[in-house]
This record gives sequence, structure tokens and C-alpha cells, in this order.
Amino acid sequence: DVKVTQSSRYLVKRTGEKVFLECVQDMDHENMFWYRQDPGLGLRLIYFSYDVKMKEKGDIPEGYSVSREKKERFSLILESASTNQTSMYLCASRRDRTFYTFGSGTRLTVV
Amino acid sequence: DQQVKQNSPSLSVQEGRISILNCDYTNSMFDYFLWYKKYPAEGPTFLISISSIKDKNEDGRFTVFLNKSAKHLSLHIVPSQPGDSAVYFCAAVGAGGTSYGKLTFGQGTILTVHP
Repeated sequence: DVKVTQSSRYLVKRTGEKVFLECVQDMDHENMFWYRQDPGLGLRLIYFSYDVKMKEKGDIPEGYSVSREKKERFSLILESASTNQTSMYLCASRRDRTFYTFGSGTRLTVV
Repeated sequence: DQQVKQNSPSLSVQEGRISILNCDYTNSMFDYFLWYKKYPAEGPTFLISISSIKDKNEDGRFTVFLNKSAKHLSLHIVPSQPGDSAVYFCAAVGAGGTSYGKLTFGQGTILTVHP
């Protein structure tokens, strides 16, 4: 089974802090994605990457950046955390257009 | 503008009965539709998919119906079990242009199956 691992299940950070969310997949997939899930809004795409060193903005990239230095690792960076970035963050890896595997998520609270 | 909508935030069903979860979309440039199930503190897990060239796909207790003219799909769970209690997300796969391969999610429906 494809495994997507997010390093933290729960995080509490202060406003203004720089926050790193890490995601690792073990199936050599080229495509990786970061979503956030909020009640009533579903999952919204923040950033994605089709290959190492490549990144594309999703639907809500403001306040975020990403890093993909190795194929298996895709990091989401909150440059200066704000309270409206309190959310569940989900990383996904994709084998093909219809086969996504999600990590367990990181519940981030910004205080 | 929400291109994929799940207009029922929640659904409550008795064990053994049918659960019907609905999803509407506004964009014709989707060629696959997926259903995911999500438990709290876990990531979404894939349930079932349907291609836009089909009108029905079945997998065990789960059946998805697609009505292209109405831009509507539904997930039927028969019989419903308490373990089916979760949030269900409908997602559409972009067929071309800048949305090619991207997933667009609905807001989710919380299903509760009572014993």
C-alpha cells in the first residue's frame, strides 16, 4: 500500500511564527499535493508539485509556500502564521489522475 | 464559486436502511467523479469512482449514479452500517486546460448511521 506520512498530527503555533509541515510518500509518485480542510468548505488545494523542484499554485496559495527538494518529500511552509490558517492540512500523493492517497493530516492551531 | 456542491451538510440513517448522498457540479469539464470517506483525525480514503461516460458503477454495498444532463451524482450505501458513519466528500477530476487532473471537492456530508 502507498503510504503518505505527515510528520505531525497536532501542532500549536504562535501568530507570526514560520511553520513547516512535512509530508513523505514511499511509492515514487511524481505528483504531490497540499490541501486544507475547513468545515463547510471541503478540501481546497493550496499548492501542488509535478516533479522535484517544480511547484504550482493551487486555489488558495496566499500565505503559503512549498519546497520539493526530493521526490518523496513535499513541505508546506507558512511564512508567518496567522489565526486564519488554523485548519486541518492534508498532503496527498498521486499515482494517476484518479488515484490519490492522502496522509492522516496535521491539525494546526495558530494562537 | 463552488463548482462541486454537496448541499446536505448532514444525513442521519437507521442501520440496515439505504443512505443516499448527493453531489451537484456546474462545470462540464470534469471527466471522472470520486467519492471519499473521512473519519475524524484521518485522511480521506477512496471509496468509488465513475467515469463521465458511464451512468452507474457498483462496488459491494456502494453504488454511484451519474446523471450528466442534470450534472448530478449520488452515492448509495445499502445496507448502511454504523461503521459507515463519517464525512463523505464528492470530488471531480478536471478534464483539460489548467484544471487537467486536479481534484475539486464538495463541502462534504456528515453521515450518521444509528444502530
